[in-house]
Amino acid sequence: NAGVTQTPKFQVLKTGQSMTLQCAQDMNHEYMSWYRQDPGMGLRLIHYSVGAGITDQGEVPNGYNVSRSTTEDFPLRLLSAAPSQTSVYFCASSLSGALRVNTEAFFGQGTRLTVV
Amino acid sequence: GNSVTQMEGPVTLSEEAFLTINCTYTATGYPSLFWYVQYPGEGLQLLLKATKADDKGSNKGFEATYRKETTSFHLEKGSVQVSDSAVYFCALSAPQSTGGFKTIFGAGTRLFVKA
Repeated sequence: NAGVTQTPKFQVLKTGQSMTLQCAQDMNHEYMSWYRQDPGMGLRLIHYSVGAGITDQGEVPNGYNVSRSTTEDFPLRLLSAAPSQTSVYFCASSLSGALRVNTEAFFGQGTRLTVV
Repeated sequence: GNSVTQMEGPVTLSEEAFLTINCTYTATGYPSLFWYVQYPGEGLQLLLKATKADDKGSNKGFEATYRKETTSFHLEKGSVQVSDSAVYFCALSAPQSTGGFKTIFGAGTRLFVKA
């Protein structure tokens, strides 16, 4: 079972560069989300998706784009990297549906991003 | 809006000490409540959960009870081990009007257990 796979594990970007963080899950989960983890601030939701073709903003969406063309993949794009986006990024997936709200999230190993 | 507040860390305990990590929440409706654990260099893993008032979640010696009257979900363990050293996150999951649900995490509490 691969679960949730994130790539790359580490990345260094220069200010202004763009890149895509990849996230894939093989559990046929409808719900996928991206979080960033910063010291003292816990996990903050960037974007989430309740199914293929549907995305929505979380708490801190500025500077990030997402798309969900398939159930399995949910890439996160940094449009023009800034030092404030230095963080650890986690992708998560879970079962979803209006009648199944009480489900756990499965997390990837994380991507440590540094913007210089 | 929904929010989760948990006690600031770090918490430092000696092995076999009693652990409590406080968590309170604000939510509309009836959320599910979770505790996740993050070991160094890893992603988060579910530790336990409770889906309705007065439910008790338990796993690996950890327990937490869903208290609707005090909007709390405090994590407890009777005797901690060095291997319990990690960051613990309280979280709630609540339905959205658009369908599906959103999970909100607390800031995390780092636990150090000394031998």
